[in-house]
Parts: sequence; structure tokens; C-alpha cells
Amino acid sequence: GAGVSQSPRYKVAKRGQDVALRCDPISGHVSLFWYQQALGQGPEFLTYFQNEAQLDKSGLPSDRFFAERPEGSVSTLKIQRTQQEDSAVYLCASSLDSPNIYTEAFFGQGTRLTVV
Amino acid sequence: GNSVTQMEGPVTLSEEAFLTINCTYTATGYPSLFWYVQYPGEGLQLLLKATKADDKGSNKGFEATYRKETTSFHLEKGSVQVSDSAVYFCAPVASGGSYIPTFGRGTSLIVHP
Repeated sequence: GAGVSQSPRYKVAKRGQDVALRCDPISGHVSLFWYQQALGQGPEFLTYFQNEAQLDKSGLPSDRFFAERPEGSVSTLKIQRTQQEDSAVYLCASSLDSPNIYTEAFFGQGTRLTVV
Repeated sequence: GNSVTQMEGPVTLSEEAFLTINCTYTATGYPSLFWYVQYPGEGLQLLLKATKADDKGSNKGFEATYRKETTSFHLEKGSVQVSDSAVYFCAPVASGGSYIPTFGRGTSLIVHP
């Protein structure tokens, strides 16, 4: 497609449930980023892929969070045993090349996760 | 590492008013500077950028000039519209770091008719 696509747009999960959030980056984009955006805050970095390799996962808040990009295109962010503090918008972004000083990130619309 | 200071929001203006959103930054190395905009219910999108000192980035009537001496990249627009209501993020990207885009809290702009 023309842009970064995320699904689902909205997800309501019961506390303790596992969720999987999908990101389809722009075709051919090497880099893929996941961010978490709490209400009224800016996006907080979670993890970064270069093709299928997860090169930085320093932002993942706990071992309940797991991300993969097995074929270097579509990525999935999985959250196990969701908790209320996981409620946020999860944004995916991609960029054409490896991150550099000129990197422009293209964002999807995000998945709004509400844990009840 | 990189850090950015933006003015607290929300900034509330009437249509056709002049807009300034201040941004100052600290960064290792010699950064590129970006403004992203997030419209309600959307992801972020690049608004404009500048890659070296004294460069002016511009788009959709918005402008920002890279001021190395004051480490600033203030966003301006001469006449805002209701459709400019959004959250604006200033984001430096500097050498010496990972180059992964990072963002502060942003500044919310509300434009009334």
C-alpha cells in the first residue's frame, strides 16, 4: 500500500489477556520502529528492526512485550498478560534506509489499546 | 543524548492569528532538525526539516530556521487555520547517537474559528 498500515485500529483487552498488534510498513522500507504513546504524551520508543533483525529493544518496558519481523516486512508487537498501564496508542513507523541524520519516519495511524 | 524543550501547551489561537511554537534542543554532534505534526486520531507525519545551520524548512505555510548559535528551531506560521489544530513535535536527530527518531511531549495547538 501507499502508507504504513496498522491493525486493528482499536483493541479492547481484558486484563491478563494476550494481544497482537500488526504493522505493514511501506514496501521496501528497511527500518521499522514501534512506539508507545500514552494519552497526552509524545511517542516513546519501544524497539527497532533493520530488515528482520531486531537491533534495538531497549525501550520495551518489560518481558511481557515481544516484537518480531520474521521476513523483514510485516511486524507484530505482542503483549502478554496485559495490564491496565499498557493502555496506550501503539504506533509503527518505517523508513527507507537504516537510521541516519536525514531519517524521515513514516507513521501508521496507530492501534489504540484499552485494557479493562 | 538528544533532548528537546518545547513550550507548554495547549496554545489556543483564533483563525488567521500568527503562530510561534518554541523549540530548543541539546544534541551530541551536529544534528538535523525536524518538526512532525500529529492530527487528531492519526500518526505523526513530517512537517518540515532542516539539515544544517541557517537552513529554513518550510511546508504548508509553516517555517522554521535552524539557529545553531541559539540551538533553536522555532516553528512559525503567519496565519493559522482551524485545520492546523494538532500536536506539533520538534525532533533533533544527531550524529553520535542511534539516529532513532525520538520525541518529547509535543505542543498542542487549538485554533478557533
